Amino acid sequence: AQKITQTQPGMFVQEKEAVTLDCTYDTSDQSYGLFWYKQPSSGEMIFLIYQGSYDEQNATEGRYSLNFQKARKSANLVISASQLGDSAMYFCAIHPYNQGGKLIFGQGTELSVKP
Amino acid sequence: NAGVTQTPKFRVLKTGQSMTLLCAQDMNHEYMYWYRQDPGMGLRLIHYSVGEGTTAKGEVPDGYNVSRLKKQNFLLGLESAAPSQTSVYFCASSPSRTLETQYFGPGTRLLVL
Repeated sequence: AQKITQTQPGMFVQEKEAVTLDCTYDTSDQSYGLFWYKQPSSGEMIFLIYQGSYDEQNATEGRYSLNFQKARKSANLVISASQLGDSAMYFCAIHPYNQGGKLIFGQGTELSVKP
Repeated sequence: NAGVTQTPKFRVLKTGQSMTLLCAQDMNHEYMYWYRQDPGMGLRLIHYSVGEGTTAKGEVPDGYNVSRLKKQNFLLGLESAAPSQTSVYFCASSPSRTLETQYFGPGTRLLVL
C-alpha cells in the first residue's frame, strides 16, 4: 500500500523568506510520480510541481522546488521568497504508475505567510 | 477550452435521497477520477475510470456508483445519501497513466442532513 505523510499540520513563514514543507512517502513501486498541490481558501486544487521517481534532478517551477531524496523517501517542497498569496493548504501526493493513474494524498500542511 | 467542469457546485440532500454529480472534461483525456475531501484531510479516491465504459473502485467506494458512458463525462451517483457523505467532491482527469499532472474541477460541496 502507498502512504503519504505530512507531519506539519500548520506552518508560519515571514513574507519574503523561504519555507520547506515536509513530505515522506511509502511505496513498494519502483515507478511513481510525486506531486504538490496548493488549495487556497477558495477550494480549488492547483498543481504546483511534479517529480518522477527516475528523475535525477530536483524539479523546479518558478519559486517552487522539490527536494527529492529517493533513498529517504522524502519529497519536500521549498517555496522561496514567500508571498502573502502563498497562504493556503498544501498537499503532497504520490502516483504509482501501475495503479491506473490515481493519486494518494497526504493530510496537508496549512501555510500562513505573515506580512 | 473549459477544462474540467462539475455540476452542481453545491447541493443539500436529505438522508435517503439520491443524486448524481456530473463531471465533464473537454481535453479528450482517457483517465477520470472522483475524490472526496473531508475537513482537515487530503483527497481520497472514490472511483476512477481508465477509459470509456470502464470503471474501478478506489479507496472509499462504498455508497457510491459511477458510470463512464461517454469519454468526456464521468458520473458519480449516490443512491441513498447518508450524513457521512457530507463532503466536497472533486473530479479530475489526466491524459495517460504516466501522468505529469491531474486536472481538477472546482469541486461540488454536498451537505446531507
